[in-house]
Amino acid sequence: DSGVTQTPKHLITATGQRVTLRCSPRSGDLSVYWYQQSLDQGLQFLIQYYNGEERAKGNILERFSAQQFPDLHSELNLSSLELGDSALYFCASSVRLAGVDTQYFGPGTRLTVL
Amino acid sequence: AQTVTQSQPEMSVQEAETVTLSCTYDTSENNYYLFWYKQPPSRQMILVIRQEAYKQQNATENRFSVNFQKAAKSFSLKISDSQLGDTAMYFCAFMKRLNNAGNMLTFGGGTRLMVKP
Repeated sequence: DSGVTQTPKHLITATGQRVTLRCSPRSGDLSVYWYQQSLDQGLQFLIQYYNGEERAKGNILERFSAQQFPDLHSELNLSSLELGDSALYFCASSVRLAGVDTQYFGPGTRLTVL
Repeated sequence: AQTVTQSQPEMSVQEAETVTLSCTYDTSENNYYLFWYKQPPSRQMILVIRQEAYKQQNATENRFSVNFQKAAKSFSLKISDSQLGDTAMYFCAFMKRLNNAGNMLTFGGGTRLMVKP
């Protein structure tokens, strides 16, 4: 158990809908990262937040948005869903270990868009 | 931009044997970190080992060790005394040194390892 929690574990929805994925980082971790794992794109970085502020953006679609709240939990919002958005979405939080910013991953949310 | 390449999509090894997974990367950075993560059938991403580029000594974690060749931009993972529980997808990942521009991981495509009894 990494200490990072994600809810829900599974989500099934229809095209055009909107969903929210939630992540709680490890206690004390200020950074939260979101990654998408799909069969055709592999593991891709979406976005990073540090202590409530956006720190870096990757291959995140305009239909997707995220935020980090004062209690440090984060939410990833996916709207106007398409079939191709079906994927495993990971959240990670990081801690500095021996000078290395090491990311620990949550169990993921499996999103199925029908 | 950085790229990470894992040239072996699938590998298999007999229980108790040793196996080496390959990873190469391309970067213009001088200071960075490299990681190996495993993803068993449960789909959880688990950190296996990490290496700082400025350290010449190869990292070791129990049965897992790396061969880091900075000039060749190569970062292979050696698993000794393979166990059935090592069956998983293994991902090599690159991260630039900590900076205010973010610390995202760039992943390779993965190597599926099967440990056979």
